[in-house]
Amino acid sequence: AQSVSQHNHHVILSEAASLELGCNYSYGGTVNLFWYVQYPGQHLQLLLKYFSGDPLVKGIKGFEAEFIKSKFSFNLRKPSVQWSDTAEYFCAVNARGYQKVTFGTGTKLQVIP
Amino acid sequence: NAGVMQNPRHLVRRRGQEARLRCSPMKGHSHVYWYRQLPEEGLKFMVYLQKENIIDESGMPKERFSAEFPKEGPSILRIQQVVRGDSAAYFCASSQERQETQYFGPGTRLLVL
Repeated sequence: AQSVSQHNHHVILSEAASLELGCNYSYGGTVNLFWYVQYPGQHLQLLLKYFSGDPLVKGIKGFEAEFIKSKFSFNLRKPSVQWSDTAEYFCAVNARGYQKVTFGTGTKLQVIP
Repeated sequence: NAGVMQNPRHLVRRRGQEARLRCSPMKGHSHVYWYRQLPEEGLKFMVYLQKENIIDESGMPKERFSAEFPKEGPSILRIQQVVRGDSAAYFCASSQERQETQYFGPGTRLLVL
């Protein structure tokens, strides 16, 4: 069974700071990888996904993530955060061929103006 | 194009009562997934359904919980004889095909008194 680890539970940044949120997964086979965001009071929205191809994935709102297979990692990055990026971010994985998606415990990002 | 709809958004039940949570997938989507989010935890997969079929219920508690996705109408997650530990946010997601990205609804927050 796959599992996902998000090591940072709570991150506080000033506006314009750079962001990197860690995500590691454990699974021996081929996976699909996702980052979802949940803004306060709203539902989960897909930020970006990796199925195959270029391991550097560009998402919405200036976010990107890099799949490093050798490290089982899929870290989320943004060069310069804004106050409106304050939200909870979830990394998720599903094994190719299976529908069950496993989520990390989430990272709460607070951006201070 | 309406997204995934869930109702009610908030539900309060007393111990021993039944809770019925509804999910209408996005138009054109025939695959539905239910997840539960306990306080301070990530989303946990519960069940995956297609029209009239349960495909994977490996995340469903063995007792009191059931799910259906009839030919007509929304998917229903039913919790009988609720207990305080059932208090959580329940999210529904849908996809157009297998192995496609899952889109999430706003969730139903269940509180058991």
